[in-house]
Amino acid sequence: AQTVTQSQPEMSVQEAETVTLSCTYDTSESDYYLFWYKQPPSRQMILVIRQEAYKQQNATENRFSVNFQKAAKSFSLKISDSQLGDAAMYFCAYRSARGTSGTYKYIFGTGTRLKVLA
Amino acid sequence: DVKVTQSSRYLVKRTGEKVFLECVQDMDHENMFWYRQDPGLGLRLIYFSYDVKMKEKGDIPEGYSVSREKKERFSLILESASTNQTSMYLCASSPWDPLITEAFFGQGTRLTVV
Repeated sequence: AQTVTQSQPEMSVQEAETVTLSCTYDTSESDYYLFWYKQPPSRQMILVIRQEAYKQQNATENRFSVNFQKAAKSFSLKISDSQLGDAAMYFCAYRSARGTSGTYKYIFGTGTRLKVLA
Repeated sequence: DVKVTQSSRYLVKRTGEKVFLECVQDMDHENMFWYRQDPGLGLRLIYFSYDVKMKEKGDIPEGYSVSREKKERFSLILESASTNQTSMYLCASSPWDPLITEAFFGQGTRLTVV
């Protein structure tokens, strides 16, 4: 079974600085997807960034980028120029390309709460 | 925009009551999911459904059941609510479309069982 581990329950970053959130996962599959979701106090889960396992190039979305190390099964999120609005819970998630019944499910880590200090 | 709507944002129920949590999505997605979110435990999958009337158990199905009679609606049922089911419940949906890989979430229902 696949697992996702986030070992940092809480992180703090100064406004305008850079922070990296860690995520490791375990799988025997070769084709899968990885995601970072943000959950602000409003509770609405928002997709931050996605990475396809078959792509070697690291995904980037504006100030958000990932460091995807497939062999090490590591998927960290880097937030540059941190803003007050980045304060939220961040979840790392894994999804198989396809399950045995043609379906799939999303497996989440335990989350990292990010505080942004003014 | 994809919209996933959960029927209640906050709910308070009594121990032993039968509780229905409703979720509706408007994008014709085949897959729907129910997760439970607890501090320090992240999101844990209760049940998911990949088609109408089809369902599969997730990691923590005990004490819950689901119903999917129509493609757009996925209901989570607590047959006899207990205090240890006090939690945040998140519904999500996703399509079979290989170009859309992420899940789309509702705003969550915070359930308190007293």
